[in-house]
This record gives sequence, C-alpha cells and structure tokens, in this order.
Amino acid sequence: EPEVTQTPSHQVTQMGQEVILRCVPISNHLYFYWYRQILGQKVEFLVSFYNNEISEKSEIFDDQFSVERPDGSNFTLKIRSTKLEDSAMYFCASSESPTPGETQYFGPGTRLLVL
Amino acid sequence: SQQGEEDPQALSIQEGENATMNCSYKTSINNLQWYRQNSGRGLVHLILIRSNEREKHSGRLRVTLDTSKKSSSLLITASRAADTASYFCATLRYNTDKLIFGTGTRLQVFP
Repeated sequence: EPEVTQTPSHQVTQMGQEVILRCVPISNHLYFYWYRQILGQKVEFLVSFYNNEISEKSEIFDDQFSVERPDGSNFTLKIRSTKLEDSAMYFCASSESPTPGETQYFGPGTRLLVL
Repeated sequence: SQQGEEDPQALSIQEGENATMNCSYKTSINNLQWYRQNSGRGLVHLILIRSNEREKHSGRLRVTLDTSKKSSSLLITASRAADTASYFCATLRYNTDKLIFGTGTRLQVFP
C-alpha cells in the first residue's frame, strides 16, 4: 500500500541553525500538508500546499518557515533559524484532493530537537 | 476556540472488552476523522464520517456522529493488545484544508 515517507526520522540541531525536513507524498496525490506535534500536545496544522503554492497556513507558519516542492516527488519544510520551541514531531501528509471528505494520509514524522 | 476534545483522556481495558472513546467539537464541520498513533510514531487514518452520516463501520471499528450535540464516538469491539495506542479525532470544517485535532485518548489494552 502506498504511503507517505519522511526523512530524517530524527534531527538534532543547534538553535539558530536551518533545518530542512523532507517528505515524499503518495505518488498520485496533489495536496500536501505539514503538521507538528509538540510533546504532550495536540497535533497542529502548519500549512497546506497545492499547485506549487501555499493554499492555507496557520499563525505558527511565520516567516521562519517555508515549503517547497523542488521536484516531482519531494515536499520539504524549511525552518530558517530554529528556536527551542520548534522542537516537535513534524508530520507530512498528502491527499488526492482537498475536496470535502478527502482523507489526509500522514507520514511517520520527523522528530526535531533544537538545543 | 478549542475544537476536538476527547474523553476519557486515558482508558485501560482487558483484551476482548470493548473500548469507547468520545470526541466533542465546537463549530460545524464537513467531516470528522479518527486517527491512531502508536507511541512516538505517525498517525494512521482509521475512519472518516461525513456530516450527513450518523454511523459508519470498518472492521471492529464503529463511529457515530451526532451533529446536533457536536460529538462523535469511536467504538473498538473485541479489543486486542495491539490496539494499545492514542486515538485522536480530527475535524475538517468547510472551506478549509486543515484538520483540527483533539487532545486524544490513550488506550491501554492488557492481554
């Protein structure tokens, strides 16, 4: 069964460093998402992406964050200058379309630790 | 406003028993989805129920939705130790892409 994959599974970085989290969505999916889950808290929406542009973003997704689909398969989340509070599990998701009721399939996550 | 609050926060049962988890939300929704998360792992989609549906089944899972009470329940019948995980409801409102997740129920099934 096709699935969303994410790399790396774990990333440790120093505060102020840039990180890039990578995702390979399911191949025929057109809509991509990033969510995050701070330890012990709810899963929170960050951003959705379609047709090479952001379609929706949350308040969390400030100028330090960016997303890109650099080629036909990868979808990346970049954090320009990491802060301690960016430590979280980051989940990528994809769906065939955002039409109402379309399931979002999640990847296994990247655990980011900012020191 | 907060959306998606599950109860109980934690539930412990024996294998073979049924587990019921509830989710409440505050705004009108397009659909509601249930996900499972094994400790520290990814989110696995379980079932989706649309706002015009009242009940849905998938294997040992039964989901109900009461839009008048803004609540949903997830029933896992004949539970197994492998069902041990956290279960989250997530709502999708109209005209938005984003799922809003609840706080989750931690289910422990003892063999």
